[in-house]
Amino acid sequence: NAGVMQNPRHLVRRRGQEARLRCSPMKGHSHVYWYRQLPEEGLKFMVYLQKENIIDESGMPKERFSAEFPKEGPSILRIQQVVRGDSAAYFCASSPRTGGRNEQFFGPGTRLTVL
Amino acid sequence: LAKTTQPISMDSYEGQEVNITCSHNNIATNDYITWYQQFPSQGPRFIIQGYKTKVTNEVASLFIPADRKSSTLSLPRVSLSDTAVYYCLVGGDNTDKLIFGTGTRLQVFP
Repeated sequence: NAGVMQNPRHLVRRRGQEARLRCSPMKGHSHVYWYRQLPEEGLKFMVYLQKENIIDESGMPKERFSAEFPKEGPSILRIQQVVRGDSAAYFCASSPRTGGRNEQFFGPGTRLTVL
Repeated sequence: LAKTTQPISMDSYEGQEVNITCSHNNIATNDYITWYQQFPSQGPRFIIQGYKTKVTNEVASLFIPADRKSSTLSLPRVSLSDTAVYYCLVGGDNTDKLIFGTGTRLQVFP
């Protein structure tokens, strides 16, 4: 059973461009979470999605950021008009069900660098 | 969500037991305590979870006193490969998002 897959692993964008980060959850998992991690800091929750629904986007900036988890295909985190402050590691996690007791399985992350 | 406090860093030598303590004074009745491990350039990995007393698995032990205001992650006989950041998280059954602090950076020396 393959783990959580993220691509690309590294992404370089110039200011003003768009960044698209993809996440394929583990087989059988219908819950996806996105986190952002700045250097030397812990992960910060961004958004929680189930298939075709955004459940909690309280950690996601109101502008330029969007996320989706379509019925078919991977979850996408989209950042429009990137700025240097968007440079970070973005991690996706998946789980088979909700609840704090439930373990979240993390992918290897996408490292975004904005020039 | 209860806030957690843990040491910023710890050093150890191979073969030693390492104990990392986390404070969570405002833990709620339905909160569980979970520890994650993160290696450089990788996503966090679940280590252990508990509610009270002691939990042990093949990787670590988790000690939780009766008042549950703190917890201790115990790593027996660490090796160089245990060098990582360890996060203590607290949340209940209704918690979907994980709240990470800055974690404890463990450095294991030969």
